[in-house]
Amino acid sequence: GNSVTQMEGPVTLSEEAFLTINCTYTATGYPSLFWYVQYPGEGLQLLLKATKADDKGSNKGFEATYRKETTSFHLEKGSVQVSDSAVYFCALSDQSDYKLSFGAGTTVTVRA
Amino acid sequence: NAGVTQTPKFQVLKTGQSMTLQCAQDMNHEYMSWYRQDPGMGLRLIHYSVGAGITDQGEVPNGYNVSRSTTEDFPLRLLSAAPSQTSVYFCASSYDDSASHEQYFGPGTRLTVT
Repeated sequence: GNSVTQMEGPVTLSEEAFLTINCTYTATGYPSLFWYVQYPGEGLQLLLKATKADDKGSNKGFEATYRKETTSFHLEKGSVQVSDSAVYFCALSDQSDYKLSFGAGTTVTVRA
Repeated sequence: NAGVTQTPKFQVLKTGQSMTLQCAQDMNHEYMSWYRQDPGMGLRLIHYSVGAGITDQGEVPNGYNVSRSTTEDFPLRLLSAAPSQTSVYFCASSYDDSASHEQYFGPGTRLTVT
């Protein structure tokens, strides 16, 4: 079956630091890959996505590249802000259905 | 568009009580689903529906029922609440021609069972 493994947190950074959250996956076929973000007290929002190998998703300064050879979709941001403090979830869905498989989530705290 | 809405935001139940968590979307999405979020476990799929009148089980369906009589609504019923059902519940929806199957989430319902 499908599964997602992401870097355990919590992660604490200073403002303007570089952020990387590792995500690897196991899936049959060619899944779509997502990063969702959950700000304190809120629901999940799609941060970025990629639907095929070598695609790069980007949004709000975050980037992730779909690497089929290493089955990875690592999230990066070059200079984080306090407002980036949130829980980040890596997820995938099969092309054949809509069901999302999530990683455990990584809590990121950015200090001023 | 209001997007995906959920009610209530918070609920406390006693063991054995029943209740319904409401979910509605105004985007005419065919696909809807329910997830529960527990610390350290990400989100797990409870039930999903690919259209009105069609529902199916996800990863953790025991203790929950769903129905889909309209495209807009997808309520989740807890038949006899147990402390193990203490969690945050999210409803999500997606449109059929989304190549990536991107899903839109509601704000969540925080449920405590004592």
